[in-house]
Amino acid sequence: GQNIDQPTEMTATEGAIVQINCTYQTSGFNGLFWYQQHAGEAPTFLSYNVLDGLEEKGRFSSFLSRSKGYSYLLLKELQMKDSASYLCAVKDSNYQLIWGAGTKLIIKP
Amino acid sequence: DVKVTQSSRYLVKRTGEKVFLECVQDMDHENMFWYRQDPGLGLRLIYFSYDVKMKEKGDIPEGYSVSREKKERFSLILESASTNQTSMYLCASSPEISGANVLTFGAGSRLTVL
Repeated sequence: GQNIDQPTEMTATEGAIVQINCTYQTSGFNGLFWYQQHAGEAPTFLSYNVLDGLEEKGRFSSFLSRSKGYSYLLLKELQMKDSASYLCAVKDSNYQLIWGAGTKLIIKP
Repeated sequence: DVKVTQSSRYLVKRTGEKVFLECVQDMDHENMFWYRQDPGLGLRLIYFSYDVKMKEKGDIPEGYSVSREKKERFSLILESASTNQTSMYLCASSPEISGANVLTFGAGSRLTVL
């Protein structure tokens, strides 16, 4: 079967750095997405990786290793507003998205 | 900005009632999707549509149907609501399926079936 694994919950301190991991086993691979979802709100797009390596976008970076079936989302200079759930999703060989259950990130002052 | 609007944020229905969840997008996207989101589970695809009057089953279509009579509107229908359909329902749209197509989501409709 197809599976996306990510930690259920993480806690970090304001101003620090946090890395949220995502491992996947899917039928084919056509890209990996990270979305952010604040409580009670719609998920919003953060990043997309289809080739190995690091994609940097301001305070957020996303890394992909296709051979290891692994990605991480790196958040730097954490702010209280970064408290949210972070969803990892992989597009399979049929271009369908397979979603992880999400990682709830709690930022403490 | 693309906007996806779901007509109802919160609904409470009784078992056996027919429920309509409406979704409208304003950027002429070809593709529209209905997901449900439950604690501890990833988003699960119920139905999707690539074009007007076209629909495809997702991973969990049982107990649901959809309608897409106009390009901008995609409706989810629960013919006879059951308690196990209590969930958050998310509508999304995208311009294409392949490549780095980004989904734009609505704010969600939280349905409680009593």
